[in-house]
Amino acid sequence: DTAVSQTPKYLVTQMGNDKSIKCEQNLGHDTMYWYKQDSKKFLKIMFSYNNKELIINETVPNRFSPKSPDKAHLNLHINSLELGDSAVYFCASSAHGREETQYFGPGTRLLVL
Amino acid sequence: KNEVEQSPQNLTAQEGEFITINCSYSVGISALHWLQQHPGGGIVSLFMLSSGKKKHGRLIATINIQEKHSSLHITASHPRDSAVYICAVGGGATNKLIFGTGTLLAVQP
Repeated sequence: DTAVSQTPKYLVTQMGNDKSIKCEQNLGHDTMYWYKQDSKKFLKIMFSYNNKELIINETVPNRFSPKSPDKAHLNLHINSLELGDSAVYFCASSAHGREETQYFGPGTRLLVL
Repeated sequence: KNEVEQSPQNLTAQEGEFITINCSYSVGISALHWLQQHPGGGIVSLFMLSSGKKKHGRLIATINIQEKHSSLHITASHPRDSAVYICAVGGGATNKLIFGTGTLLAVQP
């Protein structure tokens, strides 16, 4: 069984549209994350939730809104998509704590035309 | 200047060679992570360490907290080791990771 899954795997859409990416983990972890990997392959944290509570909110446009309906799910909704939002978005999860391995989803490749 | 620096950025090796990838960081951390990203894009955690040395198969990771430096070694490299290796440091109550820019490794047969 897949530990951290994301849907969709690929997303091609027009500028100005609203889209969502879903993430689910079956590892029983308390903490989930969203990362963005840009065209130069550089990874950066966007958000993190612990037990459905937002604990990390980096400098991300407010067009991006994470939602955690329960601790096994962390979805990312993006409003008014822009060309610069094109990237690979990775979800990850870990047990709660300072020194915990993070388990990554397969990534969602978003292309905004 | 990035808070996490890796070297080299690109590395080409012949099969069987011993490989070293370096990571230096400038922030206080609670743990350092080594990640592997294959051409297909998936990211796998290789090691998480806060002191000393860890070994898994042909991979060895070391960290020197005083010098704020870590190395990832691959012994008897193989073409299937070709990937991007990413160093990331975590700290604070949130376990937020700060990533290096990655090292692209190509192992030729």
